[in-house]
Amino acid sequence: DAKTTQPPSMDCAEGRAANLPCNHSTISGNEYVYWYRQIHSQGPQYIIHGLKNNETNEMASLIITEDRKSSTLILPHATLRDTAVYYCIVKSGGYQKVTFGIGTKLQVIP
Amino acid sequence: DTGVSQDPRHKITKRGQNVTFRCDPISEHNRLYWYRQTLGQGPEFLTYFQNEAQLEKSRLLSDRFSAERPKGSFSTLEIQRTEQGDSAMYLCASSWRLAGAHPLNEQFFGPGTRLTVL
Repeated sequence: DAKTTQPPSMDCAEGRAANLPCNHSTISGNEYVYWYRQIHSQGPQYIIHGLKNNETNEMASLIITEDRKSSTLILPHATLRDTAVYYCIVKSGGYQKVTFGIGTKLQVIP
Repeated sequence: DTGVSQDPRHKITKRGQNVTFRCDPISEHNRLYWYRQTLGQGPEFLTYFQNEAQLEKSRLLSDRFSAERPKGSFSTLEIQRTEQGDSAMYLCASSWRLAGAHPLNEQFFGPGTRLTVL
């Protein structure tokens, strides 16, 4: 699986958009970008995934650059409950093992 | 609650003791995974099952660790002769693999079992 690079921490004001970047310059053509988050003392929670098109669901939007070497997870209106560690993961769809890095610790500030 | 459940949520044991954790996946899911997470790190893959077959094991899964999923439903993870380095959160996840369909492999995680070895 391709390696990802994320900033270790970020702050975001409550109500503002949180933009979490991820670099995955070695991504290959059959690998998807997945995002999970982990709220303190809970198991990781799936957020969204994409291949090359931008994706949106009820939780977030995923913007993938045209060359697919980086992506941004957007939480449009961050709330205090969005404070968590966010993991960007790149893997092929058929491969079972998920390799988590350290992730980005997002702190939403009142 | 139809999510992944794990039992116990917390376990404190003395070094050298054996411990066993249980995971109940989402009922229609045929794949089950175990991960370990230490403080400040992301979860690390240990092993996964498709139905009752254990299909992959990480090198992290030493010979003191054994996982089973005898009837393709719940799974157990046993650690024998525990060491202080085994202290971690043990996470279970499950997913559904549709034959012939693209495996999106969205994994649903349980709340974890926190193990403390004294």
